[in-house]
Amino acid sequence: AQTVTQSQPEMSVQEAETVTLSCTYDTSENNYYLFWYKQPPSRQMILVIRQEAYKQQNATENRFSVNFQKAAKSFSLKISDSQLGDTAMYFCAFMKLGYALNFGKGTSLLVTP
Amino acid sequence: GAVVSQHPSRVICKSGTSVKIECRSLDFQATTMFWYRQFPKKSLMLMATSNEGSKATYEQGVEKDKFLINHASLTLSTLTVTSAHPEDSSFYICSAKRTASTDTQYFGPGTRLTVL
Repeated sequence: AQTVTQSQPEMSVQEAETVTLSCTYDTSENNYYLFWYKQPPSRQMILVIRQEAYKQQNATENRFSVNFQKAAKSFSLKISDSQLGDTAMYFCAFMKLGYALNFGKGTSLLVTP
Repeated sequence: GAVVSQHPSRVICKSGTSVKIECRSLDFQATTMFWYRQFPKKSLMLMATSNEGSKATYEQGVEKDKFLINHASLTLSTLTVTSAHPEDSSFYICSAKRTASTDTQYFGPGTRLTVL
């Protein structure tokens, strides 16, 4: 079974600053997908960014980027120019194709003015 | 984008009654849908995977007879909590995929169930 570990239960960052959320995972699979989801107070799950394991290039979506280290099984999320609207729970997730998402425990991010 | 709806958004029921939660893919056909449960300030826990026209596959520890899942069409899956008890109170979230082999899941907004 795959496990996803987010070692930072809570983090805080000032507006306009950069913050990095950590995620490690354990798997024996070679082909898989990794995701970061955001869950704001509304509790709607929002896809932030996705990464295919076979791609070496790190995924980027506007202010969000990942540092994917396949050998180290690490998948961190960097949020640049943090905005108040980035305040949310962030979940790292692993998925083997054809199966369900396997979520980490989440990191609560607070962006302060 | 792909939209998934859930109905109702919140429901309060008495202990011993049954509650049905609907999950609909509004603008795409979903061969696979998932049901998750989320406790306050906790992560999402997968309950079951449903494929259209097939019996749902339940995760270990999830009672099949208590949480009935039906995926009768390509746009609708239902979760029925039977003989609900206060410990079943939780936030239930569904997600949908176009096919089993696609990687992107689209999430519904969730249903808050409170059992008195």
